[in-house]
Amino acid sequence: GQSLEQPSEVTAVEGAIVQINCTYQTSGFYGLSWYQQHDGGAPTFLSYNALDGLEETGRFSSFLSRSDSYGYLLLQELQMKDSASYFCAVSPNSGAGSYQLTFGKGTKLSVIP
Amino acid sequence: DVKVTQSSRYLVKRTGEKVFLECVQDMDHENMFWYRQDPGLGLRLIYFSYDVKMKEKGDIPEGYSVSREKKERFSLILESASTNQTSMYLCASTGDHEQFFGPGTRLTVL
Repeated sequence: GQSLEQPSEVTAVEGAIVQINCTYQTSGFYGLSWYQQHDGGAPTFLSYNALDGLEETGRFSSFLSRSDSYGYLLLQELQMKDSASYFCAVSPNSGAGSYQLTFGKGTKLSVIP
Repeated sequence: DVKVTQSSRYLVKRTGEKVFLECVQDMDHENMFWYRQDPGLGLRLIYFSYDVKMKEKGDIPEGYSVSREKKERFSLILESASTNQTSMYLCASTGDHEQFFGPGTRLTVL
């Protein structure tokens, strides 16, 4: 089976940096993704890591260590609009099912002034 | 602008009714997915399809079936709705590792 662990809630101050960790135990591993979801909205894609290391996209970065079964999402220069839930997700399969995702339960980030 | 649409934003049904949730994507994606989202449980995969007429069970397929007769359309069917199927249902499609989600259907089964 698959399991992903991430903190349920995180609070951070506007302008600060926050890191949301994700550890996973899966029967197979193809890549780690991150999604953002605002209250009442649909999840939107943030990043995908298939290889070890850091991927940077603007204020957001995502890191993966395959040997540690661990990744994180780093949000810099936090803004109020970053208040949302963040989900890590694992692609456990290759081939035709490689785009299937198993999601973590999500981390609710609250950005305070 | 890429788009995934779902037939209803809100739906109220009675226990035992047959329920159809429709999803359409305009991106010519081969892969489509149905999830349900419940507070504290994240998104759980019900079924997915990687080609027309192909379907695969996800993590929680019990009580659901799906249909994919055309590439752009993926339907979720609740054969006999039950109160524990009250949830937010999200459809998604992808051509690579980025999944595009529809706005969701909030289904209430009374």
